[in-house]
Order: sequence, then structure tokens, then C-alpha cells
Amino acid sequence: NAGVTQTPKFQVLKTGQSMTLQCAQDMNHEYMSWYRQDPGMGLRLIHYSVGAGITDQGEVPNGYNVSRSTTEDFPLRLLSAAPSQTSVYFCATHGTSFYNEQFFGPGTRLTVL
Amino acid sequence: GNSVTQMEGPVTLSEEAFLTINCTYTATGYPSLFWYVQYPGEGLQLLLKATKADDKGSNKGFEATYRKETTSFHLEKGSVQVSDSAVYFCALSFNDMRFGAGTRLTVKP
Repeated sequence: NAGVTQTPKFQVLKTGQSMTLQCAQDMNHEYMSWYRQDPGMGLRLIHYSVGAGITDQGEVPNGYNVSRSTTEDFPLRLLSAAPSQTSVYFCATHGTSFYNEQFFGPGTRLTVL
Repeated sequence: GNSVTQMEGPVTLSEEAFLTINCTYTATGYPSLFWYVQYPGEGLQLLLKATKADDKGSNKGFEATYRKETTSFHLEKGSVQVSDSAVYFCALSFNDMRFGAGTRLTVKP
């Protein structure tokens, strides 16, 4: 089993460009989450999903969109990238709630020029 | 709102030294508490967790006790190894997840 996979590993965008970060899991977990990791700030929750068709905002949702059409996939969309979105993005899955252990993907390093 | 504060690093220790990384939290209810570890170039992995007051989480020689009276969850290890070099994150969950800023530990031989 691959666990949690993320693509791409690295990406460079220009301000105003759009892109989608992909996340897939084969653990059959209901919950999936997106985080961004910035120096000195730890991880901050962007959006999360408690199952197919259900998403909700986290701590820092502005500038990002998500959808969840299947249990396996949870893409994160940047509609108009800004330099402030330069970060490392992690996708995570967990069983039935945030009280459970989360399993993280390897991350995507995004630079917005 | 809910938040986590952990000691700033970096922390540099010699092999076999005692490790403490302080973590305190603010929460409106009764959260679960976690320590996650991140090795270079990887995602986070769960190190240990505690779900209620006075619980002690332990794994790989690391321990942390959920102290409600001091709202703390300090991470300790009696004898660190070079392989423990990583970034350590304290986190709490209560409806969502909040992480501390992370503490980078370097252990020298």
C-alpha cells in the first residue's frame, strides 16, 4: 500500500497562475486534510473533508479551494497564486476524527514568484 | 481559540543526554494531545499521544504526560541518540488540529 501520495513534489508558479495539488490515499480513511508548513509557524490547517462530498474550512482557508468527489482523492486548488502562498503543503488522512492518528504525505514544496 | 506553544529551538545535545521539549496549550474544551516528529524531507509521523488528563503517552523511549492543571504536555527522553535528530511538533485536537511551531533537535555523537 502506498499510504498517502502527493504530486508534484516541487512546483514554481508565477503570481496569478493557477494550479492543483493532488493528494490520494489508499487507506480507506474518511477524513482528509490539507496543511501548510511555514518556518516558525508549524502546520496550519487549510481545509478538511469528513467524507466524499463534504468539506469544511480550517484555520487559513483563504485563497484555496477543495472538493472531495471520492474517498481516495482530495485535490487542493490555488485559483490565483500569490507569493504569500509560498510554502510546503502536506496532505493527511485519519480514521474517524481529529482525535485519531494522522498519516501524512511527503509534501509539495511550492514557490510563487 | 485553541493554540499550542512549544519551546523554540534549535536544541543541540550530545548523545545520551536528557531531552525535554516544553509544550503548553490553550483549549476551550478537553483536547487530545500529540507529539509528531518530522525527519528531513519527510512528512510528519505520530510519536505519541494522550487523550485525557494524567494519561502518559510513550514510544521509542519518549514520554509525555497530559497535565491539565498546568495545561502542559512536555516531551522527555532519558538518553537521546543521533537518530533522534528531527523536528518535533506538539499538537492538539478538538474539532480541528492545531500544531506548535516545531522544535528542531540535533544530537551530536
